[in-house]
Amino acid sequence: GENVEQHPSTLSVQEGDSAVIKCTYSDSASNYFPWYKQELGKGPQLIIDIRSNVGEKKDQRIAVTLNKTAKHFSLHITETQPEDSAVYFCAASRTGTASKLTFGTGTRLQVTL
Amino acid sequence: NAGVTQTPKFQVLKTGQSMTLQCAQDMNHNSMYWYRQDPGMGLRLIYYSASEGTTDKGEVPNGYNVSRLNKREFSLRLESAAPSQTSVYFCASSDRGGDNEQFFGPGTRLTVL
Repeated sequence: GENVEQHPSTLSVQEGDSAVIKCTYSDSASNYFPWYKQELGKGPQLIIDIRSNVGEKKDQRIAVTLNKTAKHFSLHITETQPEDSAVYFCAASRTGTASKLTFGTGTRLQVTL
Repeated sequence: NAGVTQTPKFQVLKTGQSMTLQCAQDMNHNSMYWYRQDPGMGLRLIYYSASEGTTDKGEVPNGYNVSRLNKREFSLRLESAAPSQTSVYFCASSDRGGDNEQFFGPGTRLTVL
């Protein structure tokens, strides 16, 4: 089955700096790669996703890049703010109605003032 | 529009006791999922239901059973709870399959003594 590795497990940045979280996956048939943000005491929430026919996707301060050849994808957050502090999870999935997500182990991002 | 709701929010069980975690969604989604979240291990899929009337095992199904009661409701049952099942449990739903945005409930924190 799919295996998703995520690094780093913790990341501390100063407000205004950029943060980068990296993931690798093992199943070459995976073609959907979402990123979820989990705030303390809540369930995860999708913040951005990318499909394999796209190399990069941006949404305001958040961007995701995908390298299918190397089987890795990354989340980039620019101009970080205190409200970006949370746990971030990457995930991978094949397509299809019976498909299921495999999550990475998470990155705890702390944005300090 | 409540999204995904889970009951209870907290539960303490003794080893060997049984209980059912309830999950309901009001988004008319076809697919529903149960995950457990443990420190340092991300979200691991227990069982999922790609559509009403179907259920399939995920990564960690041992010790659990599920019922897709109707399109809205998907319950998770622990027949004989063990300390290793101490975890936070999340239910999620998606329109169709794992390659679509999943919406998560607020979670159930379960402790087995």
